[in-house]
Amino acid sequence: GAVVSQHPSRVICKSGTSVKIECRSLDFQATTMFWYRQFPKQSLMLMATSNEGSKATYEQGVEKDKFLINHASLTLSTLTVTSAHPEDSSFYICSAEIGQPISGNTEAFFGQGTRLTVV
Amino acid sequence: KQEVTQIPAALSVPEGENLVLNCSFTDSAIYNLQWFRQDPGKGLTSLLLIQSSQREQTSGRLNASLDKSSGRSTLYIAASQPGDSATYLCAVPSSAAGNKLTFGGGTRVLVKP
Repeated sequence: GAVVSQHPSRVICKSGTSVKIECRSLDFQATTMFWYRQFPKQSLMLMATSNEGSKATYEQGVEKDKFLINHASLTLSTLTVTSAHPEDSSFYICSAEIGQPISGNTEAFFGQGTRLTVV
Repeated sequence: KQEVTQIPAALSVPEGENLVLNCSFTDSAIYNLQWFRQDPGKGLTSLLLIQSSQREQTSGRLNASLDKSSGRSTLYIAASQPGDSATYLCAVPSSAAGNKLTFGGGTRVLVKP
């Protein structure tokens, strides 16, 4: 299957600093990528849809100024957690899809995830 | 609004036993259904994708069935091994949500040696 690479896998940062997480599609182009957050023993919660060359669309309740998304190329999307606080500590996962996005007939591939700990 | 439910939430079986994981969804107007595996602290690995026109899909010891009209999919894992221990998630694109994936809560599987 297709490969999505996410980096870093773990990061510890001080409260008030910003952290950038990268998501790359290695063997295909992705005009759309997705960012999820996962709390312990829970399923994935969609945070935002990253659109190449345009603004990301955020889910209700997700602060766009806190979670900055940039999708500057067809293979790279970045999520920056700005002015991180301990409550931002979580597991963040990205995905990209192959198929026909408009129809919904797509197959999703996920990155390895990033464990963010804010101290 | 599409809702996806997975039962049971957790499952523990001895090695060698077959696993049966259930996934149900409320809106049967789906294009496909995908099964994933997640190991602790890791991302999701795609296991199987079933198109809405298909009744089942097989990969090695894994077999997934789909009954779209009744809103159900079942993942069978034959002859389970300790390495099958993980959380299994099903997901469907939801037309009501702009074709974004709606996930079930997952089934945590433990295969005891």
